[in-house]
Amino acid sequence: QSVLTQPPSASGTPGQRVTISCSGSSSNIGNNLVSWYQQLPGTAPKLLIYSNNQRPSGVPDRFSGSKSGTSASLAISGLQSEDEADYYCATWDDRLNGVFGGGTKLTVL
Amino acid sequence: QVQLQESGPGLVRPSQTLSLTCTVSGDSISSGGYYWTWIRQHPGEGLEWVGYMSYSGNTYYNPSLKSRVTTSVDTSKNQFSLKLSSVIAADTAVYYCARSDSSGYHYDYWGQGTLVSVSS
Repeated sequence: QSVLTQPPSASGTPGQRVTISCSGSSSNIGNNLVSWYQQLPGTAPKLLIYSNNQRPSGVPDRFSGSKSGTSASLAISGLQSEDEADYYCATWDDRLNGVFGGGTKLTVL
Repeated sequence: QVQLQESGPGLVRPSQTLSLTCTVSGDSISSGGYYWTWIRQHPGEGLEWVGYMSYSGNTYYNPSLKSRVTTSVDTSKNQFSLKLSSVIAADTAVYYCARSDSSGYHYDYWGQGTLVSVSS
C-alpha cells in the first residue's frame, strides 16, 4: 500500500489527452517536488517529469506535469500507441523518505 | 552519457545476504552532487525505494528495510553497492540502481535492473 495513490489503470484512444493523478499528503507531495516515470514492458523506468513540471531533454512536450496542494498530475496529449506503459509518480516523504505511487497502467485503445 | 549497470548473484538462499554492485560510467561518483540510489520492483508490482547515499557518506533508507540494508561506495572502481541481510522470499525482486540529483527528488539515470530470486 503506497502513500501516494494512483489509479491502477487509464486508457485513451490515439490523439486523445489523458491525465493520471497522484494523491498524497502534506508530508510528501504537499511539501516536496514530484517526478514522473514511464516504464515500458520489460524495461527500466525512464524519467519523464521532474520538479513537478520540468521535462528532461528528449522528452516530448506532449508530456506535462502539474502539482496543486497534495496532489499531482501527469498529462499526455496527442496519445500515441507507444505511450502504452506503466506510469509512476515519486516524491520524498518526511517520515518514509523516498516514495513511489502504486503505478498506473495506460492502455491505448 | 551516464550509464549504470547492476551486477551480482541472481539467486540467494533465505537468511543469507544479498549483495549487488552498480558500476557507473560517464560520470564520477567522487565528483559529488548526487545520491546513488537503489530501487526494487517485486514481480508484477510497483516500484519500491530502498535507499540512497551520497559520496560523502550520508545515507537514507526505507524505514521498513533499514535494519537490514547497508550501502557503500568504492570510488576507485566508480561503483556503489547494496547489501541486504537476512533475506526472505519477499525480497525477490528486480533491483535497479539509479542516480538522483542533489535535490534527491528524482532519478535521472537508471540501470537496466537485475532479478534477484530468494529461494532454497
